[in-house]
Amino acid sequence: SAVISQKPSRDICQRGTSLTIQCQVDSQVTMMFWYRQQPGQSLTLIATANQGSEATYESGFVIDKFPISRPNLTFSTLTVSNMSPEDSSIYLCSALLGEETQYFGPGTRLLVL
Amino acid sequence: AQSVSQHNHHVILSEAASLELGCNYSYGGTVNLFWYVQYPGQHLQLLLKYFSGDPLVKGIKGFEAEFIKSKFSFNLRKPSVQWSDTAEYFCAAQTYNTDKLIFGTGTRLQVFP
Repeated sequence: SAVISQKPSRDICQRGTSLTIQCQVDSQVTMMFWYRQQPGQSLTLIATANQGSEATYESGFVIDKFPISRPNLTFSTLTVSNMSPEDSSIYLCSALLGEETQYFGPGTRLLVL
Repeated sequence: AQSVSQHNHHVILSEAASLELGCNYSYGGTVNLFWYVQYPGQHLQLLLKYFSGDPLVKGIKGFEAEFIKSKFSFNLRKPSVQWSDTAEYFCAAQTYNTDKLIFGTGTRLQVFP
């Protein structure tokens, strides 16, 4: 499986600010995804990061709040904009590799004060 | 809408006990099914997956899962758990025509020596 890294691993932010999370895969992949894991809950898909086109967002998530970039086949960013304490969560990226299987990065733990 | 349910939210076992974690999905078509594990302080890892063929699939660390189509189930089993199996376990489903994963709520397993 590929190595997937995320930066930062954790951050504490003030409300109203924005944070950009980076996801790097050590091999070229067609599909990358961004998930949110709120405290005590499961993973919820935010969007699919498409290379060369706009991300595809799931119901309840919008581009203005979670802009995503996918400039090439190994890299993507997720920005959490105008943060509020409700955005405190773990944000994970994943990449689709091989046989339709997603592999996950280590996650970014975000606390918004 | 497609969904995945895990009925056991928190399971506590002694070492050497047998384990079975339930997973049910709601989707009438073809699905790919996954179990992921998240050890304390670590990132989400693939435990095993089912796409087609033999409904009994074997994964890493002695885990196995059985796909029962008539019951829409994909239960995870291990005949004898170890303390190192303490982790959170997530079941996920992927419909045939999409790469998106729908996760269950997760089951927290605690194994005591």
